Amino acid sequence: KAGVTQTPRYLIKTRGQQVTLSCSPISGHRSVSWYQQTPGQGLQFLFEYFSETQRNKGNFPGRFSGRQFSNSRSEMNVSTLELGDSALYLCASSRGQTGESYGYTFGSGTRLTVV
Amino acid sequence: AQTVTQSQPEMSVQEAETVTLSCTYDTSESDYYLFWYKQPPSRQMILVIRQEAYKQQNATENRFSVNFQKAAKSFSLKISDSQLGDAAMYFCAYRSLSGGYNKLIFGAGTRLAVHP
Repeated sequence: KAGVTQTPRYLIKTRGQQVTLSCSPISGHRSVSWYQQTPGQGLQFLFEYFSETQRNKGNFPGRFSGRQFSNSRSEMNVSTLELGDSALYLCASSRGQTGESYGYTFGSGTRLTVV
Repeated sequence: AQTVTQSQPEMSVQEAETVTLSCTYDTSESDYYLFWYKQPPSRQMILVIRQEAYKQQNATENRFSVNFQKAAKSFSLKISDSQLGDAAMYFCAYRSLSGGYNKLIFGAGTRLAVHP
């Protein structure tokens, strides 16, 4: 069974540019969540998509956005990149059912460096 | 708002010994889930163990077990017979059951070193 696939693995961008990260969840999983991991702030929730709808959003500026396609694949976009956006971006998939205790399956992340 | 605290930034253990990682959390909810995740250098977060708050029995997964104290809001992870492959960052995480939210709140993590 294929795991959660995130592409690309590494990315270097310049301040002011925009970036798009991709996440393919486990087959049958309809929920995709995104997390930002930095040494200073730790792991922070960005947003969650379920059946192409954003169901939950963390406390991030509007420069951070996402979407989910009908096949459950998700993309997140960061516009007008800032140095502070340098981080590991992790995607997690789950069935998305209310009350499920399975936890999440994470991808290996995309390491974004903004220079 | 819920918070998760891991007070041990780093821990070390000798191979084959036992180590306990601490986690406390704050919540006003009565039903929730708690998780321990492991993040090795490969970066992928791996689920180690989970606990449903309504279950009094502590969860166990092979060499990994938890001590869940609901009243004290404590959720520690015990690793028995430590192996070199257990070296990693360990994160405690909380998930609310209210509002259908599918969101994890993580602690700051504990870096575990295993010495041969």
